[in-house]
Amino acid sequence: GQNIDQPTEMTATEGAIVQINCTYQTSGFNGLFWYQQHAGEAPTFLSYNVLDGLEEKGRFSSFLSRSKGYSYLLLKELQMKDSASYLCAVEDSNYQLIWGAGTKLIIKP
Amino acid sequence: TAGITQAPTSQILAAGRSMTLRCTQDMRHNAMYWYRQDLGLGLRLIHYSNTAGTTGKGEVPDGYSVSRANTDDFPLTLASAVPSQTSVYFCASSPDYDYNEQFFGPGTRLTVL
Repeated sequence: GQNIDQPTEMTATEGAIVQINCTYQTSGFNGLFWYQQHAGEAPTFLSYNVLDGLEEKGRFSSFLSRSKGYSYLLLKELQMKDSASYLCAVEDSNYQLIWGAGTKLIIKP
Repeated sequence: TAGITQAPTSQILAAGRSMTLRCTQDMRHNAMYWYRQDLGLGLRLIHYSNTAGTTGKGEVPDGYSVSRANTDDFPLTLASAVPSQTSVYFCASSPDYDYNEQFFGPGTRLTVL
Protein backbone atom coordinates (compact mmCIF):
# COMPACT_ATOMS: atom_id res chain seq x y z
CA GLY A 1 0.00 0.00 0.00
CA GLN A 2 0.89 3.66 -0.06
CA ASN A 3 1.90 5.34 3.14
CA ILE A 4 3.19 8.74 4.22
CA ASP A 5 4.27 9.13 7.85
CA GLN A 6 5.00 12.33 9.70
CA PRO A 7 4.75 13.31 13.37
CA THR A 8 1.34 14.50 14.51
CA GLU A 9 2.53 17.50 16.49
CA MET A 10 5.75 19.32 17.35
CA THR A 11 6.54 22.25 19.61
CA ALA A 12 9.40 24.71 19.17
CA THR A 13 10.52 28.06 20.49
CA GLU A 14 10.46 31.34 18.61
CA GLY A 15 13.86 32.01 17.02
CA ALA A 16 14.90 28.35 17.12
CA ILE A 17 15.25 25.71 14.39
CA VAL A 18 12.88 22.77 13.87
CA GLN A 19 13.07 19.74 11.59
CA ILE A 20 9.89 17.97 10.49
CA ASN A 21 10.46 14.47 9.14
CA CYS A 22 8.48 12.57 6.54
CA THR A 23 8.90 8.94 5.48
CA TYR A 24 7.07 7.42 2.57
CA GLN A 25 6.26 4.20 0.74
CA THR A 26 4.48 4.77 -2.55
CA SER A 27 3.91 3.10 -5.89
CA GLY A 28 6.31 5.15 -7.95
CA PHE A 29 7.88 8.49 -7.22
CA ASN A 30 7.76 11.68 -9.25
CA GLY A 31 8.61 14.14 -6.52
CA LEU A 32 7.96 15.17 -2.93
CA PHE A 33 6.14 18.29 -1.83
CA TRP A 34 5.81 20.26 1.35
CA TYR A 35 2.79 22.48 1.92
CA GLN A 36 1.93 24.83 4.77
CA GLN A 37 -1.61 25.06 6.07
CA HIS A 38 -2.71 27.60 8.65
CA ALA A 39 -5.76 26.66 10.71
CA GLY A 40 -8.95 27.15 8.74
CA GLU A 41 -7.12 27.98 5.52
CA ALA A 42 -6.07 26.25 2.33
CA PRO A 43 -2.70 24.53 1.90
CA THR A 44 -0.03 26.63 0.19
CA PHE A 45 3.03 25.32 -1.62
CA LEU A 46 6.40 25.50 0.14
CA SER A 47 8.83 23.24 -1.70
CA TYR A 48 9.36 20.47 -4.23
CA ASN A 49 12.17 17.91 -4.31
CA VAL A 50 12.69 15.39 -7.09
CA LEU A 51 16.45 14.78 -6.75
CA ASP A 52 18.37 13.79 -3.64
CA GLY A 53 19.77 16.62 -1.60
CA LEU A 54 18.88 19.87 0.03
CA GLU A 55 16.77 22.65 -1.50
CA GLU A 56 17.03 25.97 0.31
CA LYS A 57 14.47 28.76 0.08
CA GLY A 58 15.00 31.54 2.59
CA ARG A 59 14.29 30.32 6.12
CA PHE A 60 12.90 27.03 4.82
CA SER A 61 14.90 24.09 3.44
CA SER A 62 13.75 20.68 2.29
CA PHE A 63 15.84 17.53 2.02
CA LEU A 64 15.19 14.33 0.10
CA SER A 65 16.73 10.85 0.13
CA ARG A 66 14.94 8.66 -2.41
CA SER A 67 16.86 5.51 -1.43
CA LYS A 68 15.66 5.88 2.17
CA GLY A 69 12.16 7.10 1.35
CA TYR A 70 12.81 10.07 3.59
CA SER A 71 12.46 13.82 3.56
CA TYR A 72 12.60 16.61 6.07
CA LEU A 73 11.54 20.22 6.20
CA LEU A 74 13.87 22.51 8.13
CA LEU A 75 12.55 25.81 9.44
CA LYS A 76 15.09 28.32 10.76
CA GLU A 77 14.66 31.48 12.84
CA LEU A 78 11.15 30.45 13.78
CA GLN A 79 8.50 33.14 13.92
CA MET A 80 5.08 33.00 15.56
CA LYS A 81 3.48 33.10 12.10
CA ASP A 82 5.13 29.74 11.35
CA SER A 83 2.58 28.11 13.65
CA ALA A 84 0.70 25.93 11.18
CA SER A 85 0.37 22.40 9.90
CA TYR A 86 3.01 21.16 7.48
CA LEU A 87 1.87 18.60 4.95
CA CYS A 88 4.18 16.16 3.19
CA ALA A 89 2.95 14.76 -0.14
CA VAL A 90 4.47 12.38 -2.67
CA GLU A 91 3.59 12.40 -6.35
CA ASP A 92 3.12 8.80 -7.45
CA SER A 93 3.65 7.19 -10.83
CA ASN A 94 0.23 8.49 -11.99
CA TYR A 95 1.19 12.06 -11.02
CA GLN A 96 -1.35 12.01 -8.21
CA LEU A 97 -0.43 13.37 -4.80
CA ILE A 98 -0.48 11.04 -1.79
CA TRP A 99 -0.70 13.13 1.37
CA GLY A 100 0.51 12.64 4.90
CA ALA A 101 -1.81 13.62 7.74
CA GLY A 102 0.28 16.69 8.49
CA THR A 103 2.43 17.88 11.39
CA LYS A 104 0.96 20.60 13.58
CA LEU A 105 3.78 22.93 14.60
CA ILE A 106 3.25 24.99 17.74
CA ILE A 107 5.61 27.92 18.28
CA LYS A 108 6.07 29.21 21.82
CA PRO A 109 7.50 32.63 22.70
CA THR B 1 -6.52 38.17 -9.27
CA ALA B 2 -9.18 35.72 -8.09
CA GLY B 3 -7.23 32.51 -8.62
CA ILE B 4 -9.46 29.67 -7.52
CA THR B 5 -12.79 30.18 -5.76
CA GLN B 6 -15.21 27.81 -4.07
CA ALA B 7 -18.83 28.15 -3.04
CA PRO B 8 -20.42 27.91 -0.62
CA THR B 9 -17.97 28.61 2.22
CA SER B 10 -19.93 26.33 4.51
CA GLN B 11 -23.15 24.36 4.42
CA ILE B 12 -25.29 22.21 6.67
CA LEU B 13 -27.12 19.56 4.71
CA ALA B 14 -29.74 17.01 5.69
CA ALA B 15 -28.85 13.40 4.98
CA GLY B 16 -30.35 12.17 1.73
CA ARG B 17 -30.32 15.60 0.09
CA SER B 18 -28.20 16.41 -2.92
CA MET B 19 -25.75 19.24 -3.21
CA THR B 20 -23.25 20.67 -5.67
CA LEU B 21 -20.04 22.28 -4.51
CA ARG B 22 -18.79 24.82 -6.98
CA CYS B 23 -15.18 25.47 -8.00
CA THR B 24 -13.98 28.05 -10.52
CA GLN B 25 -10.47 29.04 -11.54
CA ASP B 26 -9.37 31.89 -13.77
CA MET B 27 -5.78 30.78 -14.31
CA ARG B 28 -6.55 28.68 -17.42
CA HIS B 29 -5.17 25.63 -15.67
CA ASN B 30 -5.74 22.33 -17.43
CA ALA B 31 -5.82 20.08 -14.37
CA MET B 32 -8.28 20.32 -11.49
CA TYR B 33 -8.83 18.24 -8.37
CA TRP B 34 -11.27 17.69 -5.54
CA TYR B 35 -9.97 16.63 -2.12
CA ARG B 36 -11.57 16.06 1.22
CA GLN B 37 -9.73 16.73 4.46
CA ASP B 38 -10.69 15.01 7.70
CA LEU B 39 -9.10 15.37 11.11
CA GLY B 40 -6.16 13.03 11.54
CA LEU B 41 -6.11 12.04 7.89
CA GLY B 42 -4.24 13.43 4.94
CA LEU B 43 -5.98 15.09 2.05
CA ARG B 44 -7.70 12.40 0.00
CA LEU B 45 -8.35 12.76 -3.71
CA ILE B 46 -12.00 12.32 -4.69
CA HIS B 47 -11.97 13.04 -8.43
CA TYR B 48 -9.69 14.80 -10.84
CA SER B 49 -9.68 16.19 -14.35
CA ASN B 50 -6.51 16.44 -16.44
CA THR B 51 -8.19 18.58 -19.08
CA ALA B 52 -11.61 19.91 -20.01
CA GLY B 53 -13.93 17.10 -21.07
CA THR B 54 -12.16 14.37 -19.09
CA THR B 55 -12.47 13.21 -15.49
CA GLY B 56 -11.03 10.41 -13.39
CA LYS B 57 -11.61 8.72 -10.05
CA GLY B 58 -9.33 9.32 -7.12
CA GLU B 59 -8.88 7.43 -3.89
CA VAL B 60 -12.40 8.01 -2.46
CA PRO B 61 -14.87 8.59 -5.33
CA ASP B 62 -17.93 6.74 -4.01
CA GLY B 63 -20.94 8.98 -3.44
CA TYR B 64 -19.48 11.83 -5.52
CA SER B 65 -19.61 12.83 -9.16
CA VAL B 66 -17.92 15.56 -11.17
CA SER B 67 -18.10 17.14 -14.59
CA ARG B 68 -15.68 19.31 -16.56
CA ALA B 69 -17.61 21.03 -19.30
CA ASN B 70 -15.04 23.81 -19.68
CA THR B 71 -11.58 24.77 -18.45
CA ASP B 72 -12.70 27.05 -15.62
CA ASP B 73 -15.36 25.08 -13.74
CA PHE B 74 -15.20 21.77 -11.90
CA PRO B 75 -18.33 21.16 -9.79
CA LEU B 76 -18.57 18.31 -7.29
CA THR B 77 -21.99 16.74 -6.69
CA LEU B 78 -23.18 14.66 -3.79
CA ALA B 79 -26.26 12.84 -5.08
CA SER B 80 -27.57 11.67 -1.70
CA ALA B 81 -25.51 12.96 1.20
CA VAL B 82 -24.58 10.77 4.17
CA PRO B 83 -23.08 11.84 7.53
CA SER B 84 -19.70 10.30 6.62
CA GLN B 85 -19.40 12.96 3.92
CA THR B 86 -19.08 15.60 6.62
CA SER B 87 -15.68 17.11 5.83
CA VAL B 88 -13.80 20.10 4.48
CA TYR B 89 -13.64 19.98 0.71
CA PHE B 90 -10.81 21.62 -1.21
CA CYS B 91 -10.68 22.23 -4.92
CA ALA B 92 -7.24 22.63 -6.47
CA SER B 93 -5.78 23.27 -9.90
CA SER B 94 -2.45 23.09 -11.68
CA PRO B 95 -1.28 24.17 -15.15
CA ASP B 96 -0.97 20.52 -16.18
CA TYR B 97 -1.41 17.16 -14.46
CA ASP B 98 2.38 16.70 -14.17
CA TYR B 99 3.15 20.26 -13.04
CA ASN B 100 4.95 20.41 -9.74
CA GLU B 101 2.54 22.61 -7.76
CA GLN B 102 -1.18 22.62 -7.02
CA PHE B 103 -3.09 25.78 -6.12
CA PHE B 104 -5.90 25.41 -3.63
CA GLY B 105 -9.22 27.13 -3.19
CA PRO B 106 -10.34 28.33 0.25
CA GLY B 107 -12.40 25.21 0.96
CA THR B 108 -16.03 24.35 1.70
CA ARG B 109 -16.95 23.09 5.15
CA LEU B 110 -19.83 20.64 4.77
CA THR B 111 -21.80 19.13 7.62
CA VAL B 112 -24.29 16.34 6.86
CA LEU B 113 -26.81 15.68 9.61
